[in-house]
Amino acid sequence: DVKVTQSSRYLVKRTGEKVFLECVQDMDHENMFWYRQDPGLGLRLIYFSYDVKMKEKGDIPEGYSVSREKKERFSLILESASTNQTSMYLCASSLERDLTDTQYFGPGTRLTVL
Amino acid sequence: GDSVTQMEGPVTLSEEAFLTINCTYTATGYPSLFWYVQYPGEGLQLLLKATKADDKGSNKGFEATYRKETTSFHLEKGSVQVSDSAVYFCALRSGGGGNKLTFGTGTQLKVEL
Repeated sequence: DVKVTQSSRYLVKRTGEKVFLECVQDMDHENMFWYRQDPGLGLRLIYFSYDVKMKEKGDIPEGYSVSREKKERFSLILESASTNQTSMYLCASSLERDLTDTQYFGPGTRLTVL
Repeated sequence: GDSVTQMEGPVTLSEEAFLTINCTYTATGYPSLFWYVQYPGEGLQLLLKATKADDKGSNKGFEATYRKETTSFHLEKGSVQVSDSAVYFCALRSGGGGNKLTFGTGTQLKVEL
């Protein structure tokens, strides 16, 4: 089974702190994604990566950056956390880039910024 | 651009009732369509998918048919159980969307005894 793990289930940070969210997948997938999930808005794509050291902006990249130094690991960085970044963050990975490919999700990190 | 519209929740049903969750979409080209489910406290997992018109995806008693003429992908189950209580997300991926998944807002289902 594909396994996608995220470093924390719950995280509480203060405004202005730098925050790192880590995601690791164990199935040698090429593609990795970061989403945020908010009530009434569904999932929105923040950043994604099709290869090591590659990154592409999603629909809502402002206030975030990412790092992919190794194939299995994709990090989301909040350079200076703000209260409007309080959300559930979901990482996903997939093997292929074709339209039929399935994305596999981690359990999520619920981030609260005070 | 691509978009997915789902019915508002929560949907509350009694056990063994029939379930329909409506999903319609707007996309360029010929998208692939997906239903994901999120159980309480967990991430999303794929429930079923369909990759071309008239395809029927099915899993765990759930079904959805890709209807290109009505741009719909409604989720159905003949007899729901308490364990089906979750949030259900309809999603699509199209070439015009850069191969990214576009999600609906989710529909919460509550099944009571």
